[in-house]
Amino acid sequence: DADVTQTPRNRITKTGKRIMLECSQTKGHDRMYWYRQDPGLGLRLIYYSFDVKDINKGEISDGYSVSRQAQAKFSLSLESAIPNQTALYFCATSDLAGSGNEQFFGPGTRLTVL
Amino acid sequence: AQSVAQPEDQVNVAEGNPLTVKCTYSVSGNPYLFWYVQYPNRGLQFLLKYITGDNLVKGSYGFEAEFNKSQTSFHLKKPSALVSDSALYFCAVRDINNFNKFYFGSGTKLNVKP
Repeated sequence: DADVTQTPRNRITKTGKRIMLECSQTKGHDRMYWYRQDPGLGLRLIYYSFDVKDINKGEISDGYSVSRQAQAKFSLSLESAIPNQTALYFCATSDLAGSGNEQFFGPGTRLTVL
Repeated sequence: AQSVAQPEDQVNVAEGNPLTVKCTYSVSGNPYLFWYVQYPNRGLQFLLKYITGDNLVKGSYGFEAEFNKSQTSFHLKKPSALVSDSALYFCAVRDINNFNKFYFGSGTKLNVKP
């Protein structure tokens, strides 16, 4: 987990506020991902990036935006938070070389929107 | 569409007994299959993967998984469960025909009782 870090680890915010979750990695991986985890639903992909100039929407991108500031940094923003965005958010990375490579996950950010 | 199903929300087993956590998948082409474990307040950790070759795959912490193409299953197993194995387990499939995106199951909570 130390190779992929997320800040903050916990955040409580109010409806309508803008919030940014940050992810940094020292693994040198090209690919980075943002997921949200909800009980009983597993992990759902929000956005993914294959390099600094490549950003792609996942299955649940509405209400979210991302920025790939550098190879090592991938931020997720909620422009106007709403309560159903309360969830556990994970950043992950994977190596470009080889389809068989697994993903490496950060420790997660627990977000509560009141 | 690619998908992964974990039919059991929870599995209870006594320490020392064998355990099985079930996973079935639906994917076009050859499947790349993964198991991850999530301990409380932690990110997902990679356990093992099947890419090709021997149907029985061995991974971390004494876990193994059996790939069964005819039954489209990839069940996680361990011969003798430990209390410390109690955690949330996720099966995932990597879609090599769709930008190598990962699809996760909904998770199975494993409870190992002393």
